[in-house]
Amino acid sequence: AQSVTQPDIHITVSEGASLELRCNYSYGATPYLFWYVQSPGQGLQLLLKYFSGDTLVQGIKGFEAEFKRSQSSFNLRKPSVHWSDAAEYFCAVGSPNQAGTALIFGKGTTLSVSS
Amino acid sequence: DTAVSQTPKYLVTQMGNDKSIKCEQNLGHDTMYWYKQDSKKFLKIMFSYNNKELIINETVPNRFSPKSPDKAHLNLHINSLELGDSAVYFCASSPGLVTDTQYFGPGTRLTVL
Repeated sequence: AQSVTQPDIHITVSEGASLELRCNYSYGATPYLFWYVQSPGQGLQLLLKYFSGDTLVQGIKGFEAEFKRSQSSFNLRKPSVHWSDAAEYFCAVGSPNQAGTALIFGKGTTLSVSS
Repeated sequence: DTAVSQTPKYLVTQMGNDKSIKCEQNLGHDTMYWYKQDSKKFLKIMFSYNNKELIINETVPNRFSPKSPDKAHLNLHINSLELGDSAVYFCASSPGLVTDTQYFGPGTRLTVL
């Protein structure tokens, strides 16, 4: 069965410091991978997604993620964190070529930004 | 201008009541979803409709019944509400397959007393 693991429940980063949020997935084939962000009291917004091709994908708000098949990982990175990045981050996997298969989400990582 | 909207934003009700949450999308998408986010922020799919046809029905109590009157609307009706139904319910839509970006509504926080 597909699953997504986000090992870090809560991370605190200083403003201006770099950030890496970890995501590991379990899936038999090449999955479709997503990172979403949820600001307090808001819905989810897509940051970036990976389907195929270049394993380093760029997203909105200066985020990027790298797909590493050998490690079954899709870690999210940002070189310099801003206070407005404080939010909940969700990694998700979807099954390709299967209409009607929904996203499977990890349990999320809460990012706090200290000044 | 809102892409995916939900009403109400907050819903407080007593155990045993029946309530509905409405969702509308103005993106012209074919597929709509309901997700439940529990108190630990874990998001889980409940239902998905494609062109008004139910295509995903996860293990959800049959007290929950989705209804899609047209492609732009997917409502969630809950009968005999229980304490454990307290959660945030998110509606989402996508152009088609799951590989498409899903656009989420702002959520409905349901509190059952």
